[in-house]
Amino acid sequence: DSGVTQTPKHLITATGQRVTLRCSPRSGDLSVYWYQQSLDQGLQFLIQYYNGEERAKGNILERFSAQQFPDLHSELNLSSLELGDSALYFCASSVGTRAVHEQFFGPGTRLTVL
Amino acid sequence: ELKVEQNPLFLSMQEGKNYTIYCNYSTTSDRLYWYRQDPGKSLESLFVLLSNGAVKQEGRLMASLDTKARLSTLHITAAVHDLSATYFCAVEMATSGTYKYIFGTGTRLKVLA
Repeated sequence: DSGVTQTPKHLITATGQRVTLRCSPRSGDLSVYWYQQSLDQGLQFLIQYYNGEERAKGNILERFSAQQFPDLHSELNLSSLELGDSALYFCASSVGTRAVHEQFFGPGTRLTVL
Repeated sequence: ELKVEQNPLFLSMQEGKNYTIYCNYSTTSDRLYWYRQDPGKSLESLFVLLSNGAVKQEGRLMASLDTKARLSTLHITAAVHDLSATYFCAVEMATSGTYKYIFGTGTRLKVLA
């Protein structure tokens, strides 16, 4: 158990819908990272927050947004969902601002868009 | 655009043998990361390589980074079944005042008893 929690574990929804994925980092970790893993795109870095502020950004679609709250949990919002958004979404946390500090990964949320 | 290529994509090896996984990337970076993913599981951070010539070892795995060649290797010594997993490298790329991480395609390793 990495200490990083993600909810829900599974999510099934329809195209055009909007969903929110939640991540709680390990106690003491200030950074949260979001990743998407799919058969088509492989593993992709989406975005990173550190202590409530955006710190790094990958190829995150405009339909996707994220934020980190004062209690340091983070949410990834996916809107106008398409079939291609079906994937496993991981979050990770680390103590510092960069991935040079070891990252600890959550169990993931499997999103299925029908 | 930064590309990260791993080879081989699939690797089946006998227990006790040695092998190397290669991670090539296409632009300047001096930070490289290795991760492990067991089937149906999440990711685990293995190594963080921060400079040219960096070498890290953990058990039967050793990772190295050559920034001039834009190459990192993950060497497996005397493989055991428990090492069966998919291994990813990721390169950190600075861009427009921020940075991002680009992952390789992954190498699926199967160690046969």
